Amino acid sequence: QSVLTQPPSVSGAPGQRVTISCTGSSSNIGAGYEVHWYQQLPGAAPKVLIYGNDNRPSGVPDRFSGSKSGTSASLAITGLQAEDEGDYYCQSYDSSLSGLGVFGTGTKVTVL
Amino acid sequence: QVALRESGPALVKPTQTLTLTCTFSGFSLSTTGMRVGWIRQSPGKALEWLARIDWDDDKYYRPSLKTRLTVSRDTSKNQVVLTMTNMDPVDSATYFCARVVGRYSGSSGNYYYYMDVWGEGTTVTVSS
Repeated sequence: QSVLTQPPSVSGAPGQRVTISCTGSSSNIGAGYEVHWYQQLPGAAPKVLIYGNDNRPSGVPDRFSGSKSGTSASLAITGLQAEDEGDYYCQSYDSSLSGLGVFGTGTKVTVL
Repeated sequence: QVALRESGPALVKPTQTLTLTCTFSGFSLSTTGMRVGWIRQSPGKALEWLARIDWDDDKYYRPSLKTRLTVSRDTSKNQVVLTMTNMDPVDSATYFCARVVGRYSGSSGNYYYYMDVWGEGTTVTVSS
């Protein structure tokens, strides 16, 4: 059972901006732990998009951006493209998990 | 270039023990700061972090599965092995191994961990 809650789905037309929220609590995001975001395209393994709240690994387009405030975090995708269609997961640390991370419930992004 | 690959049985029977191997290249688990994690994903479900093993042989397990999981390493073979006992149909999932990065955040004063390179995953079905 995930302790980070995401909307099940978001959608947008090509070129639009979409945001995905990740809501936690005082034992994870609200405790100051960083948030990371992964993209999982159909049939593929997850790939890190954002780490440490708002950092992009090399090779990730600047259309993807992350932010964090209080007990929540957000991933924004600007200039939505067809190849962005897939599942997106946030991840943070929770004090109940003894050295491991906790993932969000996942959000399916559909490009209309 | 960092790469990881999972291997193991595709089918196990209920109550059996699952053994999965993660074979990696491009880094050494005996190098300070290196870590490998195991994550699973049940069909249509979210990701679940199961275990982690560090360069100094420290090990971490998901509390709800701790009594069933064992993670170990063979640094000479660049392998990490995960065993899960007493398998049940609810354990049917795709199992991923991934390199885990640990970073210190000056702004929060915390270390944080994320997976920077993943294997392609191996699908395990538990059925009699």
